[in-house]
Amino acid sequence: QKEVEQNSGPLSVPEGAIASLNCTYSDRGSQSFFWYRQYSGKSPELIMFIYSNGDKEDGRFTAQLNKASQYVSLLIRDSQPSDSATYLCAGTDSWGKLQFGAGTQVVVTP
Amino acid sequence: DVKVTQSSRYLVKRTGEKVFLECVQDMDHENMFWYRQDPGLGLRLIYFSYDVKMKEKGDIPEGYSVSREKKERFSLILESASTNQTSMYLCASSYAEADANYGYTFGSGTRLTVV
Repeated sequence: QKEVEQNSGPLSVPEGAIASLNCTYSDRGSQSFFWYRQYSGKSPELIMFIYSNGDKEDGRFTAQLNKASQYVSLLIRDSQPSDSATYLCAGTDSWGKLQFGAGTQVVVTP
Repeated sequence: DVKVTQSSRYLVKRTGEKVFLECVQDMDHENMFWYRQDPGLGLRLIYFSYDVKMKEKGDIPEGYSVSREKKERFSLILESASTNQTSMYLCASSYAEADANYGYTFGSGTRLTVV
């Protein structure tokens, strides 16, 4: 059983709209959560992390965490073609290692 | 910014060769990791290390070994390369702190093709 689950997509989003990505996790001990963006053929880059329930905003990105429901989400406002990428969700395990989801592909259409 | 450098961007090796993938980080991170990434399979952890000369098996260690003789360098070794080890290999490092986790920084990756 995968510990971090994401819809693989592709998630098609019109330019300027909000992209909403969801992630669920099974390890109730997970403390911190991360969103990585990965362009095709490139390595993942960290865009957000969150460890408290609620929302955290950074520019056009908002991460949301609900530990009771065991889900994490990422909102991308005013989506741009440059946001087209695969987004990886990750949560910490009991040893502090990151457990990655398989990623959601986002395609922003002009 | 933390920099994680992988020595090769692309490699082509022959079946049966011994292959060394090198990774160096410049921010004194304690933790280092090796992943492989394949379409549809996501990131899979091969080996990791929490300190010099320490190594721990990840989820798919078979056919691989690692070496960490210095804190900044973590090497992945394919003892006898096989075609099913054709993949993108990603090195990552992270800072260790008891009550905080700041995530991993990844290197740019090595795309290995075994022929």
